[in-house]
Amino acid sequence: EAQVTQNPRYLITVTGKKLTVTCSQNMNHEYMSWYRQDPGLGLRQIYYSMNVEVTDKGDVPEGYKVSRKEKRNFPLILESPSPNQTSLYFCASSLRVHTEAFFGQGTRLTVV
Amino acid sequence: AQSVSQHNHHVILSEAASLELGCNYSYGGTVNLFWYVQYPGQHLQLLLKYFSGDPLVKGIKGFEAEFIKSKFSFNLRKPSVQWSDTAEYFCAANSMDSSYKLIFGSGTRLLVRP
Repeated sequence: EAQVTQNPRYLITVTGKKLTVTCSQNMNHEYMSWYRQDPGLGLRQIYYSMNVEVTDKGDVPEGYKVSRKEKRNFPLILESPSPNQTSLYFCASSLRVHTEAFFGQGTRLTVV
Repeated sequence: AQSVSQHNHHVILSEAASLELGCNYSYGGTVNLFWYVQYPGQHLQLLLKYFSGDPLVKGIKGFEAEFIKSKFSFNLRKPSVQWSDTAEYFCAANSMDSSYKLIFGSGTRLLVRP
């Protein structure tokens, strides 16, 4: 089954404790991206990747890092999480940058 | 700057009522447009998309949208809503000419009363 898989689905952590949210897709898509969803703000792009080893900042990259060492995986790293990073995070992939995006199930992160 | 606007933040309808959700974009050049739906507690799913051709696009579950280039609009419609259409709806756009970003509107929460 074609899908985008994120883990974990739910995470509560403390300020400053490094964490990684994993994202994997099995559709051989080139383009992957991370979004955060906050009430009233819709989805805002954090980082995106055009292909392996090619990543760039989206609209809200501060406090986040990503890597794209393999085509299927695109982890999101929070080196030192802060409470303002409490949000719902979605990973997405698409065959090319301008084609439809497929979304993961989301990761609800709470930073206390 | 490129942006997508959804002016209806909350919409409440009774079953069988007609639905129209507004979406306006500010892009120059060639644009791709999408509507996504997010059912409670779930991830986003594609409802329909417009890349080129017929400006009236039909999607899943009886939804359709019309691309009106002169108005920079891509409104979502459904003739008769059901309780199961209760969800949040997002309009999104990206440009074929520049930018590698898919930009979303702020979303419209639809509540359909039985």
